[in-house]
Amino acid sequence: GAVVSQHPSWVICKSGTSVKIECRSLDFQATTMFWYRQFPKQSLMLMATSNEGSKATYEQGVEKDKFLINHASLTLSTLTVTSAHPEDSSFYICSARDGGGAGGPGEQYFGPGTRLTVT
Amino acid sequence: LAKTTQPISMDSYEGQEVNITCSHNNIATNDYITWYQQFPSQGPRFIIQGYKTKVTNEVASLFIPADRKSSTLSLPRVSLSDTAVYYCPVDGGYNKLIFGAGTRLAVHP
Repeated sequence: GAVVSQHPSWVICKSGTSVKIECRSLDFQATTMFWYRQFPKQSLMLMATSNEGSKATYEQGVEKDKFLINHASLTLSTLTVTSAHPEDSSFYICSARDGGGAGGPGEQYFGPGTRLTVT
Repeated sequence: LAKTTQPISMDSYEGQEVNITCSHNNIATNDYITWYQQFPSQGPRFIIQGYKTKVTNEVASLFIPADRKSSTLSLPRVSLSDTAVYYCPVDGGYNKLIFGAGTRLAVHP
């Protein structure tokens, strides 16, 4: 199947600083990517939909000024956590969907995740 | 917003067949049903996808009744490495997946 990568796989930052996480579709183009957050022992929570060439669409309750999303190309989306605080410590996962075809709507491929720890 | 309901946890033993059922009462007519597996500190991994009746691949089978309000993931002869959380997210519109709590499967020796 298709591959989605994330970088970095883990990051530790100090409170008040900003952190950028990259999500790349390695062997397919993705006009849409998605960002999720997952706290320990909990399910994935959708944060936003990243649209290539346009603004991201945020889910209710997600601060768009805190979680900046940029989708500059068909293979790259970035999530920047601005002015990070300890409560932002979480596992951030991105996904991208291939185009699908006659056999179905296409699969959504997930990245390996990025563990963010804010001290 | 469409939601799913699954058992919170299940226990099994190596070599047994495991069936995990997901209720998705409000699934849209055009939506496919997809199951994912997630190991700790990893992203979800696609297992199987179907629209109706039965689908089988090299790792699992998916059973979908005619009303499509539920689906059952069947894992034949599980091993310790199948210990994971299993999800059946629904389409929340615009291809975004909405995850429920998932089922935590523990396989014992």
